[in-house]
Amino acid sequence: DAKTTQPTSMDCAEGRAANLPCNHSTISGNEYVYWYRQIHSQGPQYIIHGLKNNETNEMASLIITEDRKSSTLILPHATLRDTAVYYCIVRLTPYGGATNKLIFGTGTLLAVQP
Amino acid sequence: EAGVTQFPSHSVIEKGQTVTLRCDPISGHDNLYWYRRVMGKEIKFLLHFVKESKQDESGMPNNRFLAERTGGTYSTLKVQPAELEDSGVYFCASSPVAGPNEKLFFGSGTQLSVL
Repeated sequence: DAKTTQPTSMDCAEGRAANLPCNHSTISGNEYVYWYRQIHSQGPQYIIHGLKNNETNEMASLIITEDRKSSTLILPHATLRDTAVYYCIVRLTPYGGATNKLIFGTGTLLAVQP
Repeated sequence: EAGVTQFPSHSVIEKGQTVTLRCDPISGHDNLYWYRRVMGKEIKFLLHFVKESKQDESGMPNNRFLAERTGGTYSTLKVQPAELEDSGVYFCASSPVAGPNEKLFFGSGTQLSVL
């Protein structure tokens, strides 16, 4: 699985959009970009994932560059409860039931400020 | 719908003792995973069950760790004998279908402290 690079930490004002970048320059054509987050003392939580196209769900938007070498997770209106470590994970997702384990890096600690 | 539940939430044991962690996945989820974070390190994969079968146990650190999933429902992870370096948080996750678009649902973890 391709390696990802994320900033160690970021701040965001409550109510503003939080834009979390991720570099994955060695991504291959069949690898998806996944985002999970871990709020303190909880287990990781799935946020969103995509392959080529931009994606949006009730939690966030995922913007993937045309060359797929980087992406940005956008939390449109950050709240204090969004303070967490955000993990960008590039993952091969094979068919046939083979394991596709998540490889967590160090992630980005997003601190939402009141 | 109940999420992934893990028991106990905390366990404190002495070096050399045995500890068993339990995970109840979301009902109907065939895929069950164990991950752990040891102090100061990143979250690491341990193993993956599909129903009662071990699909991948490449992340199990050594033979002191034994995972089971009898009947394809709940799973246990036993550490025997526990060592100091086993301290950390052990997470369980489940998903209905592996492959593209798989979303893992994680439990809150078991904090294991080996003294």
